[in-house]
Amino acid sequence: EAGVVQSPRYKIIEKKQPVAFWCNPISGHNTLYWYLQNLGQGPELLIRYENEEAVDDSQLPKDRFSAERLKGVDSTLKIQPAELGDSAVYLCASSPRDNEQFFGPGTRLTVL
Amino acid sequence: SQQGEEDPQALSIQEGENATMNCSYKTSINNLQWYRQNSGRGLVHLILIRSNEREKHSGRLRVTLDTSKKSSSLLITASRAADTASYFCATRRGSQGNLIFGKGTKLSVKP
Repeated sequence: EAGVVQSPRYKIIEKKQPVAFWCNPISGHNTLYWYLQNLGQGPELLIRYENEEAVDDSQLPKDRFSAERLKGVDSTLKIQPAELGDSAVYLCASSPRDNEQFFGPGTRLTVL
Repeated sequence: SQQGEEDPQALSIQEGENATMNCSYKTSINNLQWYRQNSGRGLVHLILIRSNEREKHSGRLRVTLDTSKKSSSLLITASRAADTASYFCATRRGSQGNLIFGKGTKLSVKP
């Protein structure tokens, strides 16, 4: 069984540029999460989807971040425009039900 | 916001020794989970313990939960160099709530 797939693995951009991350969850997993992880910290939830519905986006900075999960399968997280403080690892996770979560390898974003 | 606080922040031991990591949290929980993260990788689920459970085992892992003290511990017995990683506890408040992760314990096992 394939795990959670994320791309790209690494992204370097200049500030004020847009950036997008893609996630393909494990087949059959209805719940999808996007997390932000700063160096030396644990993951912090940005948004949680149940199928195609965003059920919790309270921690998503909506002035510059957006996400979508069309058709309830793969998902895209976008930042526009990126700021220096957005440099972090962006993790995607999925779950067959709201319990154990399966994480992708993450996208390491560097904003210069 | 992070609910869990792992202790210690870093731990260095020799191969074969046991490693104990602790997690304290602030509010009542439905369950508590432990995850491992190797450098540059995503997190891997290790074990889940529910609020009505006190101890759970999985291979070389032993997890305890004390809800009266709002704390949990993860014991790795007979550690191996491959156990070198960061370990995070994560708590879920309700059955449908989000996972809240701590800052993690960085474990280094020297061969």
